[in-house]
Amino acid sequence: AAGVIQSPRHLIKEKRETATLKCYPIPRHDTVYWYQQGPGQDPQFLISFYEKMQSDKGSIPDRFSAQQFSDYHSELNMSSLELGDSALYFCASSLASGTPNEQFFGPGTRLTVL
Amino acid sequence: DQQVKQNSPSLSVQEGRISILNCDYTNSMFDYFLWYKKYPAEGPTFLISISSIKDKNEDGRFTVFLNKSAKHLSLHIVPSQPGDSAVYFCAGLSGSARQLTFGSGTQLTVLP
Repeated sequence: AAGVIQSPRHLIKEKRETATLKCYPIPRHDTVYWYQQGPGQDPQFLISFYEKMQSDKGSIPDRFSAQQFSDYHSELNMSSLELGDSALYFCASSLASGTPNEQFFGPGTRLTVL
Repeated sequence: DQQVKQNSPSLSVQEGRISILNCDYTNSMFDYFLWYKKYPAEGPTFLISISSIKDKNEDGRFTVFLNKSAKHLSLHIVPSQPGDSAVYFCAGLSGSARQLTFGSGTQLTVLP
């Protein structure tokens, strides 16, 4: 079965650079979530989209922005990168009309800021 | 303030025995609780969930118990298998956007 795809899997950037992370949800899933997991920390909710509209916002810095496109894939754009942005970024998808508690996670993108 | 807490960072259990992973929460607005399993270099994988109006949900070797008055839930795995060795995250689901709030995880090691 198709799973959530994230690209790239690994990304190395320098301070003050920009980065774009991509997420391709499971086919027919209409909701996308982004989570950030810092070293030794639990995943923290950043932002979510339903039907291409932002549905909720968590602890996402103003330097970050995200959107969901017409094909339901989502991109997380990160500017003016800081050392503290080094983390594993997970995308998850779900079907809003499906079981209300199942989010399927991608393998994550490991971002390292030098 | 951490809304979901997993106070045991690690747990070791002998193969065939029961594994019990614990989780406490403070947010009364969670309407579902979920357990996720995570292997290194992979995303969390959904295991089992429980509605806040239930006190038990069972799926094969996995059973989740919810004690709402104590704001405590636990995941029982029986019998434990070496392939169960992973980090287990407890999470609460809330909000119209259905976002997850995770605990810090418990590393389960099942010894053969």
